[in-house]
Amino acid sequence: AQSVTQPDIHITVSEGASLELRCNYSYGATPYLFWYVQSPGQGLQLLLKYFSGDTLVQGIKGFEAEFKRSQSSFNLRKPSVHWSDAAEYFCAVGGKTSYDKVIFGPGTSLSVIP
Amino acid sequence: GAVVSQHPSRVICKSGTSVKIECRSLDFQATTMFWYRQFPKQSLMLMATSNEGSKATYEQGVEKDKFLINHASLTLSTLTVTSAHPEDSSFYICSATTSGTYEQYFGPGTRLTVT
Repeated sequence: AQSVTQPDIHITVSEGASLELRCNYSYGATPYLFWYVQSPGQGLQLLLKYFSGDTLVQGIKGFEAEFKRSQSSFNLRKPSVHWSDAAEYFCAVGGKTSYDKVIFGPGTSLSVIP
Repeated sequence: GAVVSQHPSRVICKSGTSVKIECRSLDFQATTMFWYRQFPKQSLMLMATSNEGSKATYEQGVEKDKFLINHASLTLSTLTVTSAHPEDSSFYICSATTSGTYEQYFGPGTRLTVT
């Protein structure tokens, strides 16, 4: 069965500290992986995606993620968090075609302490 | 590029009435559109997948007679919540893909409140 888990429901970090959000997936084929961010009451913004190639992918706003096939993980990282990064973060996995649905993880809520 | 809009952004309706939400791809042809529902502080739950000119495919547990989806053109899909009840109050988000791409482009969402 296809699924995505995000073990941390809520994380609090201090501004300027580093951040890592965990994501594990279960998918029967080669996964396409995504990280999205959602601010309160807003839609989703794509931070980064992995389709193939280099397992370390760079995204917007200084985020990066590393795909580890052996661990079925796609963790999101940022070296220095800004107060504006406080939001809900969703990891997602999808298939190879535009018709394949995307499965979302439960989300991790990030709070940033000034 | 790849902008998806939703209208309205917020809607309040009375119990028993129907409400229509539009999802438009503004600068590309959306061969497939997806409708999601999101409860407060929860993840997105896929409701249905619609391909242009075809009937929508609903996820298990989603009432197709209550949530009518129409994808009549390559730039427009609509979700109609029929005979709405307070438990239908939620945040509805659409997304769209086009042939040859694997990324879904999301709309900003529609907040539905049923009183």
